[in-house]
Amino acid sequence: SQQGEEDPQALSIQEGENATMNCSYKTSINNLQWYRQNSGRGLVHLILIRSNEREKHSGRLRVTLDTSKKSSSLLITASRAADTASYFCATDARRGSTLGRLYFGRGTQLTVWP
Amino acid sequence: NAGVTQTPKFQVLKTGQSMTLQCAQDMNHEYMSWYRQDPGMGLRLIHYSVGAGITDQGEVPNGYNVSRSTTEDFPLRLLSAAPSQTSVYFCASSQTGSSDTQYFGPGTRLTVL
Repeated sequence: SQQGEEDPQALSIQEGENATMNCSYKTSINNLQWYRQNSGRGLVHLILIRSNEREKHSGRLRVTLDTSKKSSSLLITASRAADTASYFCATDARRGSTLGRLYFGRGTQLTVWP
Repeated sequence: NAGVTQTPKFQVLKTGQSMTLQCAQDMNHEYMSWYRQDPGMGLRLIHYSVGAGITDQGEVPNGYNVSRSTTEDFPLRLLSAAPSQTSVYFCASSQTGSSDTQYFGPGTRLTVL
């Protein structure tokens, strides 16, 4: 399976601290995306990083991609209680029978305490 | 724009019943997909479509049918509901495909008794 896997499964931090989540995947990809899901809601797109990019920033988010290790990390700086949510990475295959499919990992549940 | 809409929000079925989960988008997106989300399993792809008239299977297609007669609509049909299909179902769309930003609907929570 192409499916990405996030690590850790759960993360609990205080407001103001940084949160780092990791994602590993198995096959060559076009892009890697990160999504956020608040409890009981749909997923919201956060950031997309292409396979030829190594790092990308968006506000308090920083994403890195290491295609040689087939891994990515999402860093949220100066976290807030409102960042409490589940975070998912999603990957799509560059070639093969799974072309056209987008695979999600199982997510990291982030809890930020005030 | 309403974005991606899903109906109903909640549904309870008995084993063996059939139903259709509706999904519509008003962004003229070519790519649409259905996922199910179960506790601890993340999102799993059921079916997807790269344009009107074209559909393909995802990771877990058994027990589900789809069709795409228009760009806007992508209904998911459960032919004979089973308790294993109890889940939260999400529809998503994107402009070009799986490599693009996905826009998700609010989900349908389905319980099969």
